[in-house]
Amino acid sequence: GAVVSQHPSRVICKSGTSVKIECRSLDFQATTMFWYRQFPKKSLMLMATSNEGSKATYEQGVEKDKFLINHASLTLSTLTVTSAHPEDSSFYICSARAGDSGSYNEQFFGPGTRLTVL
Amino acid sequence: GDSVTQMEGPVTLSEEAFLTINCTYTATGYPSLFWYVQYPGEGLQLLLKATKADDKGSNKGFEATYRKETTSFHLEKGSVQVSDSAVYFCASGGGYQKVTFGIGTKLQVIP
Repeated sequence: GAVVSQHPSRVICKSGTSVKIECRSLDFQATTMFWYRQFPKKSLMLMATSNEGSKATYEQGVEKDKFLINHASLTLSTLTVTSAHPEDSSFYICSARAGDSGSYNEQFFGPGTRLTVL
Repeated sequence: GDSVTQMEGPVTLSEEAFLTINCTYTATGYPSLFWYVQYPGEGLQLLLKATKADDKGSNKGFEATYRKETTSFHLEKGSVQVSDSAVYFCASGGGYQKVTFGIGTKLQVIP
């Protein structure tokens, strides 16, 4: 199956700093990437959907100025958590979907990034 | 909106016991249905999927059947192993639709 990687797998940062998380599709071109957040003992919540070359679509309640998403190429999307605070500590997971108009394409998930803000 | 309901658990079973984790969904149209597994400290792995009614997904001894009439996709395994201990997420959607996840069911298998 298709492989999606995330980097870094774990990051610890100080409050007030910004952190960038990369999501890459390794063996396919991803026209759409999704960013999820997993709260402790909770399910995954979709944060935003990004299409290559266009602005991301954020879910209700997600601050777009706080969580900057860039999908600059067909194999890379980045999530930047700006001015991170302890409440941003979470597990962030991306998924990627190849695009063929009119056809079904599975989403493939990355391994996740554990962010801890001190 | 779309939603997925599954038992929160934790579910504790002895090795070789039979496993059932119930999952029901509400959705517009006919979504694909998935079971994902998350081992401790790791990301999500697709365990199995079904894309249309009456389809049965299976993998590693796990099975689930897409039941449109009951809007269910229950996960079963005839004989669990300690290595099956993980959190299992039922999900619907995929493809062009966003994936909606259930809350996750923690399974603990004891020797």
